Amino acid sequence: KAGVTQTPRYLIKTRGQQVTLSCSPISGHRSVSWYQQTPGQGLQFLFEYFSETQRNKGNFPGRFSGRQFSNSRSEMNVSTLELGDSALYLCASSSNTIEAFFGQGTRLTVV
Amino acid sequence: GESVGLHLPTLSVQEGDNSIINCAYSNSASDYFIWYKQESGKGPQFIIDIRSNMDKRQGQRVTVLLNKTVKHLSLQIAATQPGDSAVYFCAENWGAQKLVFGQGTRLTINP
Repeated sequence: KAGVTQTPRYLIKTRGQQVTLSCSPISGHRSVSWYQQTPGQGLQFLFEYFSETQRNKGNFPGRFSGRQFSNSRSEMNVSTLELGDSALYLCASSSNTIEAFFGQGTRLTVV
Repeated sequence: GESVGLHLPTLSVQEGDNSIINCAYSNSASDYFIWYKQESGKGPQFIIDIRSNMDKRQGQRVTVLLNKTVKHLSLQIAATQPGDSAVYFCAENWGAQKLVFGQGTRLTINP
């Protein structure tokens, strides 16, 4: 069974630009969560989608948004990038049980 | 605020010894807690979970203890091996797949 796939693995963007990250969950998993990981703040919850609906949202500004498609694949978008948005963005999928499976993440660098 | 904290940022143990990683959590309403292991360049990997109505759960070489009176969680790793070297995170569930993570403890195994 394939794991959680995140694309791209690495990304460099300029301040003010926008970026879209993609996550393909494990087949059959309908819940997809996104997290931001930085050395200073650790792992922080962004949002979670289940069956195309956002069920939960973290404390991030509106520049961070996401969506989920009917095949459970999810994307997150960050607009008007700031230097502080540089981070590892992790996606996790779940079959709505306790265990969430994480992808390897997308390393975003904002310059 | 939302926070799950770790008592020690780093832990160094001898190969073969037992390791104990501690965590303090904040949300009394969390219905389950999870330990994750993150190796360099990878996403967090589920180790073990414990529901709030339990105080101990054992897995393969790992034991998680939950003390709700003092909001404390610990992970015990028996007979630590070089492959156990990683950063360990505790996380508490805040509902609908929203996990609040601690800052992490880096476990180093000395030969």
